[in-house]
Amino acid sequence: DADVTQTPRNRITKTGKRIMLECSQTKGHDRMYWYRQDPGLGLRLIYYSFDVKDINKGEISDGYSVSRQAQAKFSLSLESAIPNQTALYFCATSDSGLAGVYNEQFFGPGTRLTVL
Amino acid sequence: GNSVTQMEGPVTLSEEAFLTINCTYTATGYPSLFWYVQYPGEGLQLLLKATKADDKGSNKGFEATYRKETTSFHLEKGSVQVSDSAVYFCALSQGAQKLVFGQGTRLTINP
Repeated sequence: DADVTQTPRNRITKTGKRIMLECSQTKGHDRMYWYRQDPGLGLRLIYYSFDVKDINKGEISDGYSVSRQAQAKFSLSLESAIPNQTALYFCATSDSGLAGVYNEQFFGPGTRLTVL
Repeated sequence: GNSVTQMEGPVTLSEEAFLTINCTYTATGYPSLFWYVQYPGEGLQLLLKATKADDKGSNKGFEATYRKETTSFHLEKGSVQVSDSAVYFCALSQGAQKLVFGQGTRLTINP
C-alpha cells in the first residue's frame, strides 16, 4: 500500500463549485504539505502544517484553505473553484527530525483537477 | 528570495548518451540542494541531495556536485537508459524545510 495517498486522483468540476482534495499518510510524519504543479512553473507551495495545531500559508495560498484533521490527514479546499486553479496537486509529508536538518519529503501520486 | 533555475526542456537523447541537466540557484547562506524525479503518472521521488558546498550526491548512476562558487547543482549521468525518461526537478531548502523547486526538465530517452 502506498504511504501517501490522495483522493480523488482526477476531478473535473465547474467554476464556482466547492472542491476538497484529501491526503492521508501512513508514514507517521508530523509535517504535511500541499503543492500545485503547472507546466513550466515547477511545484509551488500552497499550505504546510508542521503538526495538527500548526497551519501556515505558502507562496500561493489565495483561493485555498486547508484542514489538518489528524496527524495523518491534511485536506485542501477550493471554496469557489476558478479555471486558473486547473493544475496537478500534490500532497507531501516529512518527518520533523532534528532542527536545522533537512528531512526528505515524500509525495503522493497527485490529483489532476480541471475547472471548467 | 530564494529561487532555482533549470535548463529548459524537453531534452531528447538516445540510449547510452551522456546527460547533463543544468541547475543554478539564488539563495543567501548555505541551502541544501536536491534533485527530484517524477516518472509518468507518479509523484516526485528524491533522487539525490547535497547539504554543503563541494558535496556530491549520487544515486542510480546520477550525480550532482554542490558548487557554491558558481551557485550550481548540475545533474549528470554517463549513460542514460530508456527507463530514465521522466521529469527532473532541481530544488533547494533553506530554513523551515520548505522546498523551492525549479520549473522541471522533461527528459525522453529513445532506444
